[in-house]
Amino acid sequence: AQSVAQPEDQVNVAEGNPLTVKCTYSVSGNPYLFWYVQYPNRGLQFLLKYITGDNLVKGSYGFEAEFNKSQTSFHLKKPSALVSDSALYFCAGEGGFQKLVFGTGTRLLVSP
Amino acid sequence: NAGVTQTPKFQVLKTGQSMTLQCAQDMNHEYMSWYRQDPGMGLRLIHYSVGAGITDQGEVPNGYNVSRSTTEDFPLRLLSAAPSQTSVYFCASSYRQGLSYEQYFGPGTRLTVT
Repeated sequence: AQSVAQPEDQVNVAEGNPLTVKCTYSVSGNPYLFWYVQYPNRGLQFLLKYITGDNLVKGSYGFEAEFNKSQTSFHLKKPSALVSDSALYFCAGEGGFQKLVFGTGTRLLVSP
Repeated sequence: NAGVTQTPKFQVLKTGQSMTLQCAQDMNHEYMSWYRQDPGMGLRLIHYSVGAGITDQGEVPNGYNVSRSTTEDFPLRLLSAAPSQTSVYFCASSYRQGLSYEQYFGPGTRLTVT
């Protein structure tokens, strides 16, 4: 079965420091992987995706993610965190034609 | 474009009541889906549709019905509400062109069943 795991419920980082939100996947075939962000009382917003090609994917708001096939990981990164990055982040993989399988989410808290 | 819209934003139901959550999109996407979001569980797929007249079950379909009479609309019906259906519900639509693929989410409906 396709699955996506986010091992950290919460990540704390100081503003200006680099951040990493971890995601590992288990899918058969070519993995299609996504990151979404959810701000309080809002829907999910698309950040970036890996379909094929370069292992380093750049997305919205300065975020990027690195696809690592050998480690089956797709970690979300940002070189310098902002307080406004504080939100709930979801990793997702395609679990069938246009059907997303989501991780449990990681809450990112960026302190001033 | 309004994107994906959902109504209502909030709803409180008593056990046994029925209701319909509305979802509409104006992007001419063929694919639409419903997810529920519960704390610590991420989003789980309830039902999906690959086009008008075609629907199928997702991971957690029990207690819910859907229909897709038009490309734009994809309502979700709760037949007899139960407290276990207290959740936040998200509708999404998506397109696929070759390898390019993206899902767009609505703002959500927060449902409480007492």
